[in-house]
Amino acid sequence: DGGITQSPKYLFRKEGQNVTLSCEQNLNHDAMYWYRQDPGQGLRLIYYSQIVNDFQKGDIAEGYSVSREKKESFPLTVTSAQKNPTAFYLCASSFNSPYSTDTQYFGPGTRLTVL
Amino acid sequence: GENVEQHPSTLSVQEGDSAVIKCTYSDSASNYFPWYKQELGKGPQLIIDIRSNVGEKKDQRIAVTLNKTAKHFSLHITETQPEDSAVYFCAASKDTGRRALTFGSGTRLQVQP
Repeated sequence: DGGITQSPKYLFRKEGQNVTLSCEQNLNHDAMYWYRQDPGQGLRLIYYSQIVNDFQKGDIAEGYSVSREKKESFPLTVTSAQKNPTAFYLCASSFNSPYSTDTQYFGPGTRLTVL
Repeated sequence: GENVEQHPSTLSVQEGDSAVIKCTYSDSASNYFPWYKQELGKGPQLIIDIRSNVGEKKDQRIAVTLNKTAKHFSLHITETQPEDSAVYFCAASKDTGRRALTFGSGTRLQVQP
């Protein structure tokens, strides 16, 4: 099956811990994105990567880090510096056509709760 | 940067009626406008999108209209069904620089049987 997978589905973190959320895609997409969703709100961009070994900060990057060592994978680390990490985290991917915006496809999400 | 506003935040209709959700955007360079449907606890799914070189696009019961001059676009769902109940998000992006989507705040649609 082709698609985007995120794991785990639910994640619990204690204060002061770093946690890593996994995102994998087998759609041969060049670009990958991480969004955060808070209850009753839209999605906000954390980080994005348009090509392997390169990534850029989004609108709310503080307290988060990413890597893009493989085309298929874009893990997100929520560090202890993120003061309010409880949220629903969504990963997306798309092609990266040179002259037009490509459709973004979303994974099923990871719900992170800080205990 | 881009700012997308979406209205209404909640919408309740009777089964079979039409539903309309409206969005405005601020960046005149934005030229791609997708709509996503999100069911509880799941990731958003694309339902329709439109680019700035067309004014309207239709797919069965769903249509999107775009007014570039006024910088607003709308989602129209006709003959609503209970399974249309979900949260709908509009978004905007452009072809240059950062291509990530800027989302509206969402509309919770409830279709009453």
